Amino acid sequence: QVQLVQSGAEVKKPGASVKVSCTVYDYTLTELSMYWVRQTPGRGLEWMGGFDPEESKFIYAQRFQGRITMTEDTSRDTAYMELNSLRSEDTAVYFCATAYYWGQGTLVTVSS
Amino acid sequence: DIQMTQSPSTLSASVGDRVTITCRASQTIDNWLAWLQQKPGKAPRLLIYKASNLESGVPSRFSGSGSGTEFTLTINSLQPEDFATYYCQQSKRDWTFGQGTKVEVK
Repeated sequence: QVQLVQSGAEVKKPGASVKVSCTVYDYTLTELSMYWVRQTPGRGLEWMGGFDPEESKFIYAQRFQGRITMTEDTSRDTAYMELNSLRSEDTAVYFCATAYYWGQGTLVTVSS
Repeated sequence: DIQMTQSPSTLSASVGDRVTITCRASQTIDNWLAWLQQKPGKAPRLLIYKASNLESGVPSRFSGSGSGTEFTLTINSLQPEDFATYYCQQSKRDWTFGQGTKVEVK
């Protein structure tokens, strides 16, 4: 069974960046399309972007364009999501997910 | 963007009840619809994919139906472990989620 294991909780100041990792076990990252979703009480589940296999590139939700970068290290079977220029509204639980499996979530708190 | 609208937002039920949750898409998504279950502090778990396909390991009391813009999740004979929040998710174009339906104890 595929497991997605994410990095631990982060506390960041406004304006900083955060990079969350997601490591795949019992499968290889190249066989999966990885997406990122965040969850807040106010906005619910929000798709942030992911790898589009048809276009063979990462695509991002418009509201995050310009401050989000997704990357993958296939040698480590690990995907990364970096969000820049953090603000308090970015406080959320961030998930990596495939069509069938979800990581356990990473709480990112943005506070001065 | 494709909008997903779920109803109801909250549903009060008892063990043994039959429960139905509906989800409507703002435009046709064919059968690119999944249902997820989430318990407090946990990640969402896939229950149903492509509108009506039961994910491996999910009890058969869960079923999904619909296509185009109207979809339904049914739980037959609700069990204690089924009290949770349920989300629909479209993957026709990017991903969008419904706002969730909390199934609570009546």
